[in-house]
Amino acid sequence: DSGVTQTPKHLITATGQRVTLRCSPRSGDLSVYWYQQSLDQGLQFLIHYYNGEERAKGNILERFSAQQFPDLHSELNLSSLELGDSALYFCASSVVPSATDTQYFGPGTRLTVL
Amino acid sequence: GQQVMQIPQYQHVQEGEDFTTYCNSSTTLSNIQWYKQRPGGHPVFLIQLVKSGEVKKQKRLTFQFGEAKKNSSLHITATQTTDVGTYFCAGPGGSQGNLIFGKGTKLSVKP
Repeated sequence: DSGVTQTPKHLITATGQRVTLRCSPRSGDLSVYWYQQSLDQGLQFLIHYYNGEERAKGNILERFSAQQFPDLHSELNLSSLELGDSALYFCASSVVPSATDTQYFGPGTRLTVL
Repeated sequence: GQQVMQIPQYQHVQEGEDFTTYCNSSTTLSNIQWYKQRPGGHPVFLIQLVKSGEVKKQKRLTFQFGEAKKNSSLHITATQTTDVGTYFCAGPGGSQGNLIFGKGTKLSVKP
């Protein structure tokens, strides 16, 4: 158990819909990273928040957005969903926003868009 | 942009055989991390290498960082069924801590 929690575990929805994925980092971790894992693309970095502020953006679509709240939990919002958005979404947390800091991954949310 | 390439994509071995996965970056890396993802699980941090030419061992796992800090390898001696999973290398994606992951090497071990 990494100490990072993600809800829900599974999500099945239809094209065009909007969903929200939730992540609670490990106690004491200020950084939250979101990654998308699909079969053909591996683990793709989406976005990074540190202490409530956006720090870096990766391959995140405009239909996707995220935020980190004062209690440090983070939400990833996916809208106008398409079939190709079906994937595993992981969040990870670390103490500081440094590439030398270990990232602890949550169990992931499996999104299926029908 | 920066890329981290990993080969092979898949490796099937007999239990007891050795296994190696290789990671190459298009740019010099300040550090490289290795993660393992068991089937149905999430990535779990294994180790970080920082110094040029660094070699670190964890029991049957040996990690190397190239002299030029552009490549790395993970070698498992005498694989066991518990080694099954996908092994990822990851390098810094920027100054803010996000990682660029290789596509991973999926290891299967036949008992």
